[in-house]
Amino acid sequence: AQTVTQSQPEMSVQEAETVTLSCTYDTSESNYYLFWYKQPPSRQMILVIRQEAYKQQNATENRFSVNFQKAAKSFSLKISDSQLGDTAMYFCAFMKHQGGSEKLVFGKGTKLTVNP
Amino acid sequence: EPEVTQTPSHQVTQMGQEVILRCVPISNHLYFYWYRQILGQKVEFLVSFYNNEISEKSEIFDDQFSVERPDGSNFTLKIRSTKLEDSAMYFCASSGERDRGEQYFGPGTRLTVT
Repeated sequence: AQTVTQSQPEMSVQEAETVTLSCTYDTSESNYYLFWYKQPPSRQMILVIRQEAYKQQNATENRFSVNFQKAAKSFSLKISDSQLGDTAMYFCAFMKHQGGSEKLVFGKGTKLTVNP
Repeated sequence: EPEVTQTPSHQVTQMGQEVILRCVPISNHLYFYWYRQILGQKVEFLVSFYNNEISEKSEIFDDQFSVERPDGSNFTLKIRSTKLEDSAMYFCASSGERDRGEQYFGPGTRLTVT
């Protein structure tokens, strides 16, 4: 079974600064996806960024980027130029790549607060 | 931009009552999911659904739970006899492309069982 671990229950950062959220996972699969989801106080889960395990290049989406280390089974999220609207719970998630309706396995989340 | 919608946003029910949570997935999506999140805990997978049948279900998804796609647009989760521990946020999600893996979530239904 796959597990996802987020070791930082809470983090804070000053507006405009950079913050990195950690995630490690455990799997015997060789082909899979990794995701970061954001859950603001409104509680809706929003996809932030996606990484395919077979791709060596780290994914980036505007101010969000990942550091994917497949051998170390590490998948951290870097938020640059933090904004007040980035305040949210951030969940790291794993999905096997088999095609079709695979489930997401989530970590426990990191609560990020961006301070003005 | 297409989005997943869920109704109601909040449902309060008494223990032992049946509830139906409704979801309208993104229209051209083929894969549907229910997840739940007990307050303060992580999001947990309940069930996935494809081609009018369950693809996978978790241990949480026991005989008290069922899912249905009664027409071309709705996807429902029924809990037959609610328990206090069913109180949670229930999220519906859908995905459309087998090889991209991206699931799009609805805003959730907060279920409170009293």
